Amino acid sequence: GQNIDQPTEMTATEGAIVQINCTYQTSGFNGLFWYQQHAGEAPTFLSYNVLDGLEEKGRFSSFLSRSKGYSYLLLKELQMKDSASYLCAALDSNYQLIWGAGTKLIIKP
Amino acid sequence: IAGITQAPTSQILAAGRRMTLRCTQDMRHNAMYWYRQDLGLGLRLIHYSNTAGTTGKGEVPDGYSVSRANTDDFPLTLASAVPSQTSVYFCASSDSTSGSYNEQFFGPGTRLTVL
Repeated sequence: GQNIDQPTEMTATEGAIVQINCTYQTSGFNGLFWYQQHAGEAPTFLSYNVLDGLEEKGRFSSFLSRSKGYSYLLLKELQMKDSASYLCAALDSNYQLIWGAGTKLIIKP
Repeated sequence: IAGITQAPTSQILAAGRRMTLRCTQDMRHNAMYWYRQDLGLGLRLIHYSNTAGTTGKGEVPDGYSVSRANTDDFPLTLASAVPSQTSVYFCASSDSTSGSYNEQFFGPGTRLTVL
């Protein structure tokens, strides 16, 4: 079956760095997405990786290892507004997104 | 309109009633999707449409139907609502003509409670 695993909840301190991991098992693979979802709001796109390596976009970076079925989202210089859920999703061979349950990130002052 | 809109924002519905959730996008995206999101679970695909005039079943299609008469609108109908359909429903769209890069844009969601 198809499966996405990510931690349920993480806590970090304002100004620090946090890494949110995601492992995936899908029927075929056409890329890995990260979305941010604030409580009560819709998910919004953060990043997309299809090749191995690190993609950097400001304070956020995303890494992919296709051979290991593994990705992480790295958030630097954490701000209180980064408190949200972070959703990992893999694009399968039918170009359908398979979603993880999300990681709730709590930022403490 | 800018992006995707959904209506209603929230609804309380008696079990057995019929309900249509509306979704409209103005980005001319060819692909549209309906998801439900429940606490502790990931987004689950209910139905999708790759282009106007076609629809497909997702992971959890039972009890739901969709239609895609034109590019902009993608309504989701619950023929006879049951309490297990209590959830937050998100509509999304994407420009799948851009190849494998399939970023989806989400509407604000509809919070549905079936009693």
